Amino acid sequence: GAVVSQHPSRVICKSGTSVKIECRSLDFQATTMFWYRQFPKQSLMLMATSNEGSKATYEQGVEKDKFLINHASLTLSTLTVTSAHPEDSSFYICSIAQRSYNEQFFGPGTRLTVL
Amino acid sequence: AQSVAQPEDQVNVAEGNPLTVKCTYSVSGNPYLFWYVQYPNRGLQFLLKYITGDNLVKGSYGFEAEFNKSQTSFHLKKPSALVSDSALYFCAGLYSGGYNKLIFGAGTRLAVHP
Repeated sequence: GAVVSQHPSRVICKSGTSVKIECRSLDFQATTMFWYRQFPKQSLMLMATSNEGSKATYEQGVEKDKFLINHASLTLSTLTVTSAHPEDSSFYICSIAQRSYNEQFFGPGTRLTVL
Repeated sequence: AQSVAQPEDQVNVAEGNPLTVKCTYSVSGNPYLFWYVQYPNRGLQFLLKYITGDNLVKGSYGFEAEFNKSQTSFHLKKPSALVSDSALYFCAGLYSGGYNKLIFGAGTRLAVHP
């Protein structure tokens, strides 16, 4: 399967600052990447679908101006949490999809803590 | 509506005993179903999937799952549990309305005791 990395693995920031999380597909050109968030002891919630070269598609209830997604190349998508607040503290996970196999490969996740 | 349900929050099993983690689905059309495992502070690891073909699907680490169309179930099983199998397990179904959108169940925590 495809190998997906995320950076950083953990980040702690002050309230009001912005944080950028990178998702990289190391061995596969991904036209589509997905961003999820996961609260403690809960399931994954799809935030948005990131399409290379075009605007991301956000799920209902997700603020696109707060969670900026950029998918500038076939191997990199970034999620920027703008003006972060403590309630944004969560585990953020990206994935890529291989169309022919109908399968997603997940990154290791990024733990964001906003103080 | 598309949905995936995992009725058990936690499953406790003694090491060496068989384990079952339950999943039922409501996905339109021909369902694509998946099982993932998550270890603490890690992303999801793919275990197995059902697309078409044999109802019994074999996956990684000795896990298997049986697709049952009449019961709309896709239970995860393993004949002999290991302590290292202790983790959070997610069942997921592919949402036909969008490109590869996965709908996840709430997750089941598996605890295997020595």
